[in-house]
Amino acid sequence: GQSLEQPSEVTAVEGAIVQINCTYQTSGFYGLSWYQQHDGGAPTFLSYNALDGLEETGRFSSFLSRSDSYGYLLLQELQMKDSASYFCAVRDRGTGFQKLVFGTGTRLLVSP
Amino acid sequence: NAGVTQTPKFQVLKTGQSMTLQCAQDMNHNSMYWYRQDPGMGLRLIYYSASEGTTDKGEVPNGYNVSRLNKREFSLRLESAAPSQTSVYFCASSEGWQGGTSTGYEQYFGPGTRLTVT
Repeated sequence: GQSLEQPSEVTAVEGAIVQINCTYQTSGFYGLSWYQQHDGGAPTFLSYNALDGLEETGRFSSFLSRSDSYGYLLLQELQMKDSASYFCAVRDRGTGFQKLVFGTGTRLLVSP
Repeated sequence: NAGVTQTPKFQVLKTGQSMTLQCAQDMNHNSMYWYRQDPGMGLRLIYYSASEGTTDKGEVPNGYNVSRLNKREFSLRLESAAPSQTSVYFCASSEGWQGGTSTGYEQYFGPGTRLTVT
């Protein structure tokens, strides 16, 4: 099966840079994705990495190292509105990759 | 485009009552999903439908049934609600997965249904 590990909580101040890590164990791998969820809201897709390296989308970047089974989400120039939970996810080989398996999420708290 | 819509937004049930949560998407997606999220927890998959006409169990299917009514609609039914089913329920949709591409990795979520069972 698949398992993903993330820190439960990360704190940072406005303007800072924060990194949220995700390590995964999976018998087949077809990429790592990230989702953001504000309190009371629905998850929204942030990024996807299929290959090693860094993908940049504005203030957010996502990194993948397949050899280390590891990825991270990098948030720069933090803003108060970035306070949310962040989930990494991989495809589930057991269902022919038809479904995503989500990590338990990292709660990011941004303070002034 | 409305994206993914869910009804109702809130619901309170008594133990033993039944109800159906409705979900519809207007993005012509093949795949649809039902998740539950308990406080401080991640998303757990209840059921999914990889394409119209097919449904499969996820991690926590007990106590639930689903119907893929057509390509747009995917409903979740609680036959006999229990307090353990108090949760927030999210429906999601995506394009069918195509290996080696990002297609299907981006799931679009509805606003959720907040269900309390007393």
